[in-house]
Amino acid sequence: AQKVTQAQTEISVVEKEDVTLDCVYETRDTTYYLFWYKQPPSGELVFLIRRNSFDEQNEISGRYSWNFQKSTSSFNFTITASQVVDSAVYFCALSDENRDDKIIFGKGTRLHILP
Amino acid sequence: GAVVSQHPSWVICKSGTSVKIECRSLDFQATTMFWYRQFPKQSLMLMATSNEGSKATYEQGVEKDKFLINHASLTLSTLTVTSAHPEDSSFYICSARDGAVAFFGQGTRLTVV
Repeated sequence: AQKVTQAQTEISVVEKEDVTLDCVYETRDTTYYLFWYKQPPSGELVFLIRRNSFDEQNEISGRYSWNFQKSTSSFNFTITASQVVDSAVYFCALSDENRDDKIIFGKGTRLHILP
Repeated sequence: GAVVSQHPSWVICKSGTSVKIECRSLDFQATTMFWYRQFPKQSLMLMATSNEGSKATYEQGVEKDKFLINHASLTLSTLTVTSAHPEDSSFYICSARDGAVAFFGQGTRLTVV
């Protein structure tokens, strides 16, 4: 069965600190996709990244970086030099080609960046 | 990026009435759209997959007669909450795929009083 686990329910860090959000997934499929979405207080979901299962290269986008490790079934997300505007709930998600493209979400990590 | 528009953003209705929520893909066609429900401080739970021109596929435990889904065109899916009750109060959000990426609407906050 598919499952996404975000063990960190809530994290608080002081502005400018780096923070890593953990994501562990389970799937029996060999072809799958991993996502990260940001949900600010306004409620909309903002797409951050998509990674397919065959691409284990780490990715960096500005202050954001992602570490995909198939060996540990993890897809962790790091924010460097955090800012107050980064405060939001972050969801890790999984989908695969064989399940009608359904996206399964983790429970989310609520991130507080303190000024 | 692709835009998915959801309307209304919020709605308050009386218990027993029905509410319709629209989800539109504005600059791409979507044969499949998805409807999620999110309770406060909870994750998004998939309710159903909306298929253009055919019946929706509901997740286990979701009442199809209560949550009516219609996907009449390649850019529009609607979710109707019938005979709403206070326990149906929640945040409903739709998504549509543009290629490999799923984009989400702004969400609809439903309050049933």
